[in-house]
Amino acid sequence: NAGVTQTPKFQVLKTGQSMTLQCAQDMNHEYMSWYRQDPGMGLRLIHYSVGAGITDQGEVPNGYNVSRSTTEDFPLRLLSAAPSQTSVYFCASSYVTGGNTEAFFGQGTRLTVV
Amino acid sequence: GEDVEQSLFLSVREGDSSVINCTYTDSSSTYLYWYKQEPGAGLQLLTYIFSNMDMKQDQRLTVLLNKKDKHLSLRIADTQTGDSAIYFCALDSNYQLIWGAGTKLIIKP
Repeated sequence: NAGVTQTPKFQVLKTGQSMTLQCAQDMNHEYMSWYRQDPGMGLRLIHYSVGAGITDQGEVPNGYNVSRSTTEDFPLRLLSAAPSQTSVYFCASSYVTGGNTEAFFGQGTRLTVV
Repeated sequence: GEDVEQSLFLSVREGDSSVINCTYTDSSSTYLYWYKQEPGAGLQLLTYIFSNMDMKQDQRLTVLLNKKDKHLSLRIADTQTGDSAIYFCALDSNYQLIWGAGTKLIIKP
């Protein structure tokens, strides 16, 4: 089972460059989300989606765009990279059953913006 | 909004018990979770507790929930080097998960 697949695993960008972090899940989960993880700050929600065609902003959405054209894919776009976006990014998909939410995470993308 | 707090580090000797604590502000969550993140990896669900329970035991793991004090804890008995990781407390809120900052568990030989 592939679960949640994120690519790339590592990336270095120059300030002002744009790029797309890919995320795909094969569990038919409706809910997908993107987080960034910074030391001492835990996970902060960037954007999330509750189904194909539906996206919404999380806690720290500025500088990022998302789209959800299919249930499986949820790419995260950095429009014009800034050093403040240096972080580890995690994609997650989750399902809710009986009120219980279980999240499945990708392996993460370590992004450095110079 | 919801606030979830954890200490950033915990250091224990191999073989001792580890107790990782979490406090929160919103008491409306139905489920409360502990996730484990090993170095260089994503998070994985470790265990969870339903809000109407006060204790759940699963092998070496014991979860205690004190709803009055809004306090959740994870006890790991007989801590091993393989338990070295960051442990995140999370609460559900409107189908989203609200996360603590994570507690890094350091094992001393």
